[in-house]
Amino acid sequence: DAGVTQSPTHLIKTRGQHVTLRCSPISGHKSVSWYQQVLGQGPQFIFQYYEKEERGRGNFPDRFSARQFPNYSSELNVNALLLGDSALYLCASSFLSLGETQYFGPGTRLLVL
Amino acid sequence: GQQVMQIPQYQHVQEGEDFTTYCNSSTTLSNIQWYKQRPGGHPVFLIQLVKSGEVKKQKRLTFQFGEAKKNSSLHITATQTTDVGTYFCAAQGYGQNFVFGPGTRLSVLP
Repeated sequence: DAGVTQSPTHLIKTRGQHVTLRCSPISGHKSVSWYQQVLGQGPQFIFQYYEKEERGRGNFPDRFSARQFPNYSSELNVNALLLGDSALYLCASSFLSLGETQYFGPGTRLLVL
Repeated sequence: GQQVMQIPQYQHVQEGEDFTTYCNSSTTLSNIQWYKQRPGGHPVFLIQLVKSGEVKKQKRLTFQFGEAKKNSSLHITATQTTDVGTYFCAAQGYGQNFVFGPGTRLSVLP
């Protein structure tokens, strides 16, 4: 079975632009979480979705939004990009919601110039 | 909010030496997970600890959950060059989402 997939793998944007990142969870997994990992730091929780509903939100501004589709894939959207948004964006899938093992995808490396 | 700390930040060891990283939470946890991230890679799940005082072993790796469920440790016996990477703990409070620690970066000199 395929693991968690994310697209694109790399992305370069300029300040003020908008970006959409995509994630496909492991088949059968219903929960997707998004994390931001700045170089040299641990992943920071952004959102969790389970059965298409938002179940958790981290301390990120409203410029960040996400959604989960009926097939359990997910999108993370970031508006009005700032230089500080440059990071590795990780998607993690789990079978159920809280307390489950999380399987991370390879991430999308976003560079904002 | 919940604070998660890890020490040390960096550890350089000679191949064959032991290594230990510690994770401390400001709040009581429902469970804690450990992940390994190789340079340029993504976090890979290692273990989950749920019970107070729990000890789990995976070959040369020993994981421990504190009695008060506020701290945890990962110990590697006789490190190998394949152990190189950053080790993260991810702490979950009751009804909360996971909070990752800042990680301990391990380098192993052959």
